[in-house]
Amino acid sequence: AQKVTQAQTEISVVEKEDVTLDCVYETRDTTYYLFWYKQPPSGELVFLIRRNSFDEQNEISGRYSWNFQKSTSSFNFTITASQVVDSAVYFCALSEGSNAGGTSYGKLTFGQGTILTVHP
Amino acid sequence: DSGVTQTPKHLITATGQRVTLRCSPRSGDLSVYWYQQSLDQGLQFLIHYYNGEERAKGNILERFSAQQFPDLHSELNLSSLELGDSALYFCASTGGFYRAHGYTFGSGTRLTVV
Repeated sequence: AQKVTQAQTEISVVEKEDVTLDCVYETRDTTYYLFWYKQPPSGELVFLIRRNSFDEQNEISGRYSWNFQKSTSSFNFTITASQVVDSAVYFCALSEGSNAGGTSYGKLTFGQGTILTVHP
Repeated sequence: DSGVTQTPKHLITATGQRVTLRCSPRSGDLSVYWYQQSLDQGLQFLIHYYNGEERAKGNILERFSAQQFPDLHSELNLSSLELGDSALYFCASTGGFYRAHGYTFGSGTRLTVV
C-alpha cells in the first residue's frame, strides 16, 4: 500500500527565512510519480511539481527547490526567502505508475499536509 | 482557470438529503478522479473513471456513487447525507503521462450538511 508522510503539521517562519517541508513516501511500485501541491486559503489545489521515480535530479524553480532521494524515500521541498504569499497548506502526493492499460495515472495518495505560515 | 469545471461551488443541504456534484474534465482528458477533503481525514481518494469505466475505488461509502458519461463529464451522487459528509469535494482529470502536470484539479465543491 502506498503511504505519504508529512511529519510537520505546522511551520511558522518570518518573511525572508528559508523553510523546508519534509515528505517521506512508501510504495512497492518501481514506477511512480511524486507531486507537490499548494492549497492557499481560497481552497484550490495548485500544482507545483511532478517528478517520476527515474529522475532523481533536483529541481529549482525561482524560490522553490525540490530534493528527491530514492535512497531515503524522501521528496523535500524548500522555499528560499519565504514571503507572506507563500502561506498555505502544502501537500506531498504519490501516484502509482499506471492504470487503465498504461494510459492513465493511478490514484493520488496525499500526505496530511503542512500548514505554512509566513509572518511579515 | 485550470480547465476542470466543478459545479456547484457551494452546496448547503440537510441531513438525509441527496445531492449531485458535477465535474467536466479538461478537454481531451479521459480520466476523472474524485477526492474528498475533510478536516479529520485529509484528502482521500474516492473513485477513478477512465473513458466511462470505473477503474479504481478508494474509501467511498456505499451511500456515494459516481459515473462518467459518454461526453466524459462525471457526477458524484451523495445520498442519505450525514453531518460528517460535510467536506470539500475535488474532481481531477488527467490526459496520461505526457502532460507535465499530471492531474489537473477543479476548484472544488464545498458541501455543508446541516
